[in-house]
Amino acid sequence: GQQLNQSPQSMFIQEGEDVSMNCTSSSIFNTWLWYKQDPGEGPVLLIALYKAGELTSNGRLTAQFGTTRKDSFLNISASIPSDVGIYFCAGFLQGAQKLVFGQGTRLTINP
Amino acid sequence: DGGITQSPKYLFRKEGQNVTLSCEQNLNHDAMYWYRQDPGQGLRLIYYSQIVNDFQKGDIAEGYSVSREKKESFPLTVTSAQKNPTAFYLCASSMGGNSYNSPLHFGNGTRLTVT
Repeated sequence: GQQLNQSPQSMFIQEGEDVSMNCTSSSIFNTWLWYKQDPGEGPVLLIALYKAGELTSNGRLTAQFGTTRKDSFLNISASIPSDVGIYFCAGFLQGAQKLVFGQGTRLTINP
Repeated sequence: DGGITQSPKYLFRKEGQNVTLSCEQNLNHDAMYWYRQDPGQGLRLIYYSQIVNDFQKGDIAEGYSVSREKKESFPLTVTSAQKNPTAFYLCASSMGGNSYNSPLHFGNGTRLTVT
C-alpha cells in the first residue's frame, strides 16, 4: 500500500520543551489528519487539514498542510505530562477514499 | 453523547475458534472501518464499508469477515484462518458519502488474545 513516512519514531524530552514531528510521502494527499493515542485507547483527532499551505492551531498544537501536498508537520509547544502518547499522521490520497496512516511518533516526557 | 462503542474491551479465545468483535455507532455515519494495530506499529486497514449491505477488503482482509446489515453496526469476525489474530482491533466511522475525506472517529478498541 501507499506509505507515509513519519518521523521521528520516538522522542524523549523535558517538560516545557517544544516538539516537532512530520510526515512525508511521494504521493499527493488532499487531506491530512493528526491523531493522538493514549495506551489502550483509540486514536483521538487533534487537527484536520484540507488545503495546501493551511496552518491550523488547536491550543498548544499547530499543524500545517505542506504546499507540495506531500507532507505535513505537527508542533507542540511547551509540552506538559499529559502530552505523552503516540501521535499519528494520516492522509487521504488524492482520488482515494481510504485513510493511510503513518507509523506513529511515541512521545515521552521527563518531568 | 454520540460515539462509537466497541465491546468487549478484552477478549480471550482458544486457537481454532472464531470470534466476533462488536462495533456500534450512533453518529449517523455512513462509513465504518476496522483496523488492526500491533505493538509499535501503525494502523492497518482490514475492511471498510461505505454504505449498508456493502463492504470492501482493506490491506489485510485475509482471515477476517464482516457484515453491514444496519447502518449503526459493523461486526468483525476473526476466523480460525487468521494466522496471527492476537492484536488490538479498532473500529472507526466517518460521514462518508460525498464527504469521503471526513475524519475518522475511533472507538476505544478491543484487545484480542488467542492462545
